[in-house]
Amino acid sequence: KAGVTQTPRYLIKTRGQQVTLSCSPISGHRSVSWYQQTPGQGLQFLFEYFSETQRNKGNFPGRFSGRQFSNSRSEMNVSTLELGDSALYLCASSLVPGMNTEAFFGQGTRLTVV
Amino acid sequence: GQQLNQSPQSMFIQEGEDVSMNCTSSSIFNTWLWYKQEPGEGPVLLIALYKAGELTSNGRLTAQFGITRKDSFLNISASIPSDVGIYFCAGVPGGGADGLTFGKGTHLIIQP
Repeated sequence: KAGVTQTPRYLIKTRGQQVTLSCSPISGHRSVSWYQQTPGQGLQFLFEYFSETQRNKGNFPGRFSGRQFSNSRSEMNVSTLELGDSALYLCASSLVPGMNTEAFFGQGTRLTVV
Repeated sequence: GQQLNQSPQSMFIQEGEDVSMNCTSSSIFNTWLWYKQEPGEGPVLLIALYKAGELTSNGRLTAQFGITRKDSFLNISASIPSDVGIYFCAGVPGGGADGLTFGKGTHLIIQP
């Protein structure tokens, strides 16, 4: 059974550009969450999608957005990139959202903004 | 938002020693999860805890869900070199919203 797949693994962008990251969840999983990981702030929740709808959103500016497709694959987009957006972006999938479900993470996309 | 206080931040131990780390919160969590992350990889789930007081083992790893629902600990017995990495606790808040809340991590370093 394939795990969570994130593409690309590495990305270098310049300030002001936008970027789209992709996440394919484990087969059968319908909930996808996104997290930003930085050395200073640790792992922080961005948003969660379930059945193509954003279910929850963390405390990030509107430049961060996402969507989910009917096959449960998800994308997140960051517009007008800033140097501080450099981070490891992690996607996690679970069967359904909620408190008693385990989340499985992908390897992440390492975004560097220069 | 809710925060998890994870300690210690780092541990330098000898191979074969036992390890203990814990997470505490001022708020109730309904689920506690423990992850391990190695360089260049995403966190890998080690143990999931769903009930207050629950004690669960996974090989040399043992974790417990505190009875107050505000804390959890992870023990690693007889550490080996491949245990090196960063261990994170994570919790699902009582309201079930806002995704997982993570601790800052415990960096485990093992000296042979």
